Amino acid sequence: RKEVEQDPGPFNVPEGATVAFNCTYSNSASQSFFWYRQDCRKEPKLLMSVYSSGNEDGRFTAQLNRASQYISLLIRDSKLSDSATYLCVVRNSGNTPLVFGKGTRLSVIA
Amino acid sequence: EAGVAQSPRYKIIEKRQSVAFWCNPISGHATLYWYQQILGQGPKLLIQFQNNGVVDDSQLPKDRFSAERLKGVDSTLKIQPAKLEDSAVYLCASSSIGTARYNEQFFGPGTRLTVL
Repeated sequence: RKEVEQDPGPFNVPEGATVAFNCTYSNSASQSFFWYRQDCRKEPKLLMSVYSSGNEDGRFTAQLNRASQYISLLIRDSKLSDSATYLCVVRNSGNTPLVFGKGTRLSVIA
Repeated sequence: EAGVAQSPRYKIIEKRQSVAFWCNPISGHATLYWYQQILGQGPKLLIQFQNNGVVDDSQLPKDRFSAERLKGVDSTLKIQPAKLEDSAVYLCASSSIGTARYNEQFFGPGTRLTVL
């Protein structure tokens, strides 16, 4: 079983739609959780960290369910500029490497 | 603040040739990582340095890959000899030495390697 699994998509949604991505991780000792965004032919960039209590940043909401080892990302009111690959990422402790899922590709269509 | 620098940005070589990539992390960042990202996959760690020491190289194919960070700042990653399956983007990342759970890693733009 892969350490981090996510649906590769693609998700094709119209502007203004709400879209949700899910991710599961296998290592119950994982301590930190993130969503990274990667544009075509660019490096990954941190979108948001995911905290146990859930957190929101504008149109983006991230949730963590430690019991189910499940992470989600919700994007409301999708914009064309949200088109990218979204990478689910976990880490065992503060200074250890990131473990990435394969990414979920999102295309927002006008 | 300057970001993580990498060079070259692109490299095309033939199989069995050698290639080297260079990374300059963010100033003051003690921890440096090299990741390999194959098309359609997420990045995968190759090696992690803390200052000039290796922390984790368990996934580095040591028969052909080597990396060093001699003075604890810049790092080079070498492949010798290259195989077709080494075609990928090689990403360098750095972070400060803190052990906070959400200590952020910053990525460079990557080197896109094509092996023919």
